[in-house]
Amino acid sequence: DAGVTQSPTHLIKTRGQQVTLRCSPISGHKSVSWYQQVLGQGPQFIFQYYEKEERGRGNFPDRFSARQFPNYSSELNVNALLLGDSALYLCASSSGRQGPYEQYFGPGTRLTVT
Amino acid sequence: GQNIDQPTEMTATEGAIVQINCTYQTSGFNGLFWYQQHAGEAPTFLSYNVLDGLEEKGRFSSFLSRSKGYSYLLLKELQMKDSASYLCAVRGYNTNAGKSTFGDGTTLTVKP
Repeated sequence: DAGVTQSPTHLIKTRGQQVTLRCSPISGHKSVSWYQQVLGQGPQFIFQYYEKEERGRGNFPDRFSARQFPNYSSELNVNALLLGDSALYLCASSSGRQGPYEQYFGPGTRLTVT
Repeated sequence: GQNIDQPTEMTATEGAIVQINCTYQTSGFNGLFWYQQHAGEAPTFLSYNVLDGLEEKGRFSSFLSRSKGYSYLLLKELQMKDSASYLCAVRGYNTNAGKSTFGDGTTLTVKP
């Protein structure tokens, strides 16, 4: 079975632009979580979606939004990009919403804002 | 909120044993997870604890004490490929059930 997939792998944008990142979870997984990882730090939670509904949100501005589709894939959108948005964006899928379900991470999208 | 602390860097010798500690303060706890992350790659799951005690998975073991807010990851028979960052993460509860709060990672360097 394929693991979590993300696209694109790398992306370069300029300040003020908008970006859309995509994630496909492991087959059968209904939960998708998004994380931002800045170099030298651990991943920071952005959103969790389960059964197409937002189930959790981290401390990120409204410029960040996401959605989940009927096939459980997900998109993360970031508007009005800032230099500080440069990071590795990770998507993680799990089979459940609550409980100590193991999260499987995708390879990430490396976003560079210039 | 949740606060997680782990050492920034550690160095060990090939074939040896190393213990990476993690302390946490949390308003809700639903499991502690350990991940390995090589430079430029995504985290990969190593082990998790929900109840107190030791969980063993091959060369890797993880221990949890919920009353002390403390966990450690034990790596045995170190190999050069074990050089990586090791992330400790606490899973939330209720409205934070899908949220894992990560420490900043411990960079382990294995030397010959």
